[in-house]
Amino acid sequence: AQSVTQLGSHVSVSEGALVLLRCNYSSSVPPYLFWYVQYPNQGLQLLLKYTSAATLVKGINGFEAEFKKSETSFHLTKPSAHMSDAAEYFCAVSYSSASKIIFGSGTRLSIRP
Amino acid sequence: DADVTQTPRNRITKTGKRIMLECSQTKGHDRMYWYRQDPGLGLRLIYYSFDVKDINKGEISDGYSVSRQAQAKFSLSLESAIPNQTALYFCATSDSGQGRSDTQYFGPGTRLTVL
Repeated sequence: AQSVTQLGSHVSVSEGALVLLRCNYSSSVPPYLFWYVQYPNQGLQLLLKYTSAATLVKGINGFEAEFKKSETSFHLTKPSAHMSDAAEYFCAVSYSSASKIIFGSGTRLSIRP
Repeated sequence: DADVTQTPRNRITKTGKRIMLECSQTKGHDRMYWYRQDPGLGLRLIYYSFDVKDINKGEISDGYSVSRQAQAKFSLSLESAIPNQTALYFCATSDSGQGRSDTQYFGPGTRLTVL
């Protein structure tokens, strides 16, 4: 069965520091992978997605993620954290042609001043 | 105006009551989804619909039912609410044109509390 694992339910970094949110997937077929962000009291919005083109995917707000097949990983990074990045981040995998998505359990990102 | 709207945004109800959550979208998408979010569990799919005549169960459909009244409307019902259905519920839509790489667009959520 396909699944997504996010390492760390809570990550705290200082403003200006590197952000690294980890995601590993299990998939028997080439996956389509997503990162979504949820700001407080809002729904989820797409940050970026991997669809088998370039392995380094750039998203909104300076975030990017690299697909590494050998490590079955799709970690999310941002070189310099901003206070406005505080939110919950979800990694997700599409596991069929039916557009269904499996979400990870989420990682809450806190930014220290 | 928001592309995906949900009503109500907050609801408190009692055990055994029937409750309906509504979702409307103006994106013109054919696919619609209902999820619930629980702390530490991420989002889990309850039901999904690929067009007005197509309804499918997700991974946690027990205790829920849905109705796709029109392409733009997809409602979720709890026939007899129980406390462990207390959660944040999200509606989402996608366009079938992209296949497996469909981006889903989410509503703002409905916070449901069952006492």
